[in-house]
Amino acid sequence: EAEVAQSPRYKITEKSQAVAFWCDPISGHATLYWYRQILGQGPELLVQFQDESVVDDSQLPKDRFSAERLKGVDSTLKIQPAELGDSAMYLCASSFSGVYNEQFFGPGTRLTVL
Amino acid sequence: AQTVTQSQPEMSVQEAETVTLSCTYDTSESDYYLFWYKQPPSRQMILVIRQEAYKQQNATENRFSVNFQKAAKSFSLKISDSQLGDAAMYFCAYASAGGTSYGKLTFGQGTILTVHP
Repeated sequence: EAEVAQSPRYKITEKSQAVAFWCDPISGHATLYWYRQILGQGPELLVQFQDESVVDDSQLPKDRFSAERLKGVDSTLKIQPAELGDSAMYLCASSFSGVYNEQFFGPGTRLTVL
Repeated sequence: AQTVTQSQPEMSVQEAETVTLSCTYDTSESDYYLFWYKQPPSRQMILVIRQEAYKQQNATENRFSVNFQKAAKSFSLKISDSQLGDAAMYFCAYASAGGTSYGKLTFGQGTILTVHP
């Protein structure tokens, strides 16, 4: 069964360092999402791609976060510099186009900033 | 902006019994979708059930069903014949059917469900 892949699964870094997360969506899924989930809370959308284009990055802290999806397939989310408040689970999800379509989530990357 | 509220941080149920998880939402839109997602401990989040706002009939998926009350902006999840594998964090989520927020999921705070054998 096809799954969304994410790496690394865990990342520990010191504040002010740069970190990057990678996501490989399910083949054929045009829409890709990055969410941030603070422990004990629901996920919050950071950025949404349709193919290679960003369609919503209104909640992305653009002074330190960046995201790209070159060629409309896999995607990278970067944080530079990392801050203590960035400690969270970063989830990637993908879906076929269309709001009613199920979003398939990856296992996430657990980020700890020291 | 849309908001989703889950007022039950934790719920518990005996195996084989029925439990209902509550969700309310706030929106000015008339066309939208509602979802329940399940996040088991240390595992991927998966879709449990979804409802289109323009459909009056409540969605059902095997042991899972919803009570969708559009006027009251309520969307509860009923789990019948609860199983140990149902233990997880459950999230209610809202998605706009159009506009700039098209497709974006807004999640509630989640409800932790414990199933006792």
